Amino acid sequence: QVQLQESGPGLVKPSETLSLTCTVSGGSVSSGSYYWSWIRQPPGKGLEWIGYIYYSGSTNYNPSLKSRVTISVDTSKNQFSLKLSSVTAADTAVYYCARATVTAVLFDYWGQGTLVTVSS
Amino acid sequence: SSELTQDPAVSVALGQTVRITCQGDSLRSYYASWYQQKPGQAPVLVIYGKNNRPSGIPDRFSGSSSGNTASLTITGAQAEDEADYYCNSRDSSGNQVFGTGTKVTVL
Repeated sequence: QVQLQESGPGLVKPSETLSLTCTVSGGSVSSGSYYWSWIRQPPGKGLEWIGYIYYSGSTNYNPSLKSRVTISVDTSKNQFSLKLSSVTAADTAVYYCARATVTAVLFDYWGQGTLVTVSS
Repeated sequence: SSELTQDPAVSVALGQTVRITCQGDSLRSYYASWYQQKPGQAPVLVIYGKNNRPSGIPDRFSGSSSGNTASLTITGAQAEDEADYYCNSRDSSGNQVFGTGTKVTVL
């Protein structure tokens, strides 16, 4: 059974960089069958796709966040990571990591999510 | 436009049928997938492709599509189906988009 687990600071100051890591178990980030994704959900609001990375390192980002987002993969640790720079209160959200199939790009496994609050 | 629009809320009597719709130009070219999200939990995939259910999803959930509209139907809604439902698809650049979400209340 594939499991994903987000980790990182729950509180980030405005203008700083949000950094999260997703650790994958029961599967490999080196698989060519999947994209490794980040999705967020502000409190009481809907889901927003942030972006994803392929094992080769190729990425695709939400155009509205592209200038501030970097997703990377560490195959040796079976992890992938998110960095979001210059955060504001609008970036306060539950951040999910998820696995997406390459063939249909559907999100079949999700982490439990982690709340990141942007506040001084 | 790559936006996906859903009705904010629908209600259904226990055991009855409810259809949730998702509208967007990208749906003319790409299938939608559907996710169920209960409070405090991560979303769960319930329908993908033309009308496919992942293992463990009850067969009362079904999907369909016509033109720019994708639909999720719950036939014989149960109390445990009360949740938020989101559609998802892609645009021509491979960017993913989620719908605005529909809150389903089972009466």
